[in-house]
Parts: sequence; C-alpha cells; structure tokens
Amino acid sequence: DTGVSQDPRHKITKRGQNVTFRCDPISEHNRLYWYRQTLGQGPEFLTYFQNEAQLEKSRLLSDRFSAERPKGSFSTLEIQRTEQGDSAMYLCASSSRGPVPNQYFGAGTRLSVL
Amino acid sequence: AQRVTQPEKLLSVFKGAPVELKCNYSYSGSPELFWYVQYSRQRLQLLLRHISRESIKGFTADLNKGETSFHLKKPFALEEVSAMYYCALRGGTYKYIFGTGTRLKVLA
Repeated sequence: DTGVSQDPRHKITKRGQNVTFRCDPISEHNRLYWYRQTLGQGPEFLTYFQNEAQLEKSRLLSDRFSAERPKGSFSTLEIQRTEQGDSAMYLCASSSRGPVPNQYFGAGTRLSVL
Repeated sequence: AQRVTQPEKLLSVFKGAPVELKCNYSYSGSPELFWYVQYSRQRLQLLLRHISRESIKGFTADLNKGETSFHLKKPFALEEVSAMYYCALRGGTYKYIFGTGTRLKVLA
C-alpha cells in the first residue's frame, strides 16, 4: 500500500455530463475526506466519512454532488450535470483513528468542464 | 465563523535568512492548528501540528491564543524548503479549514 490513490488523475468533460471519481484510502484508515481546490486557493472541505457513515457535509456540496463509501473502504464522489464552475482539483485524504490524526492526501483528480 | 488567513501569497527570502510564514485564525473555542506543505509535483503533506509541539525540518510554530496566530518559523532558510505552505484549522468538528497558502521561495 503506497498511500491514498485517486482515479482518474485527469477528467475532461462537457457541461451537463455526470462524472464520478474514486478514492482508495490507506487500507487501515477508517476516516476519509474529500476536498476541492481551485487555483490560488487552499483545499476546501466537502465531506467526511468515518467508516461507511457520512458524518459531515459542507454546505458547498450542492444537490448535484454526492459521495459514498459503501463498505467503509474506497469512496466515490459523483457530480451530476457538471457546470464550468466545477472545474477544480478534487482531493481525497484519509486518516487513522485517534484524537488528532494525520491526514494523508492523494494526488488528486483534476476536472475540466468545457 | 471559522477562518484561516495567510496574508502573503508569496514570500521570497535569501538562503540562510530567517523565515516566518504568517497564519491568523478566527475561532471562538480551542482550535487544533496545522501546517501542511506541498513541494513541487508532490502531494500535500502534514508538516507539523501545534498539539504535538514538534519541530520538523527545523520548522516550529507556536500557537498564540491572544493574537490568534500560528506563525511558522525557521531560523535559516535552505533552498529545499521552497514550496507551498498551507495553514489549517480544525475546530470542534471533523471539518478542516485551510488558508489560501503562501509560496515560499528561497533564493540562492
């Protein structure tokens, strides 16, 4: 296990299409986070899973965004009816149990909506 | 509202000079604060966190609750620490708030 894995690395889509990204966390990590990062900004929190339960969701996550972690292992982030404003880097991070665990980040999926 | 402010987009220092990357936060309770670093073509990674009171690669950061600051310091800059640095806060929930980042450029 070499770390958090995200697939695909790059995605180009047309406005209005649906896209799905996958994140495979470090195997023993039960916590998983999704972030969005646009140019010149820091990562922006989208949602958090502890095992399979989605415990926190940003108000930024509109109805077009949905995330799942069905068996408490990998997670998917789906964006429906993509808009140009969705163009960004989508980052996944995972961490183990503990009061203040270290987040390990994936390399990200860069989405371009044309 | 929880907020993290990094006032400098770019900080250029000469090799051997001291470094201070500024971070101010807004949070009414007791925050957990972190510094993350992203080297060129690499993933974002944790540099240090205030709760551990650790020093990593010569960097230290002290939480000043009075000034609501968590500035990152290094006494002597080396070229290999040129990178993007993000300050982050976690306050009472699972949500991490990141600043906009400061690019540190160490000049030879």
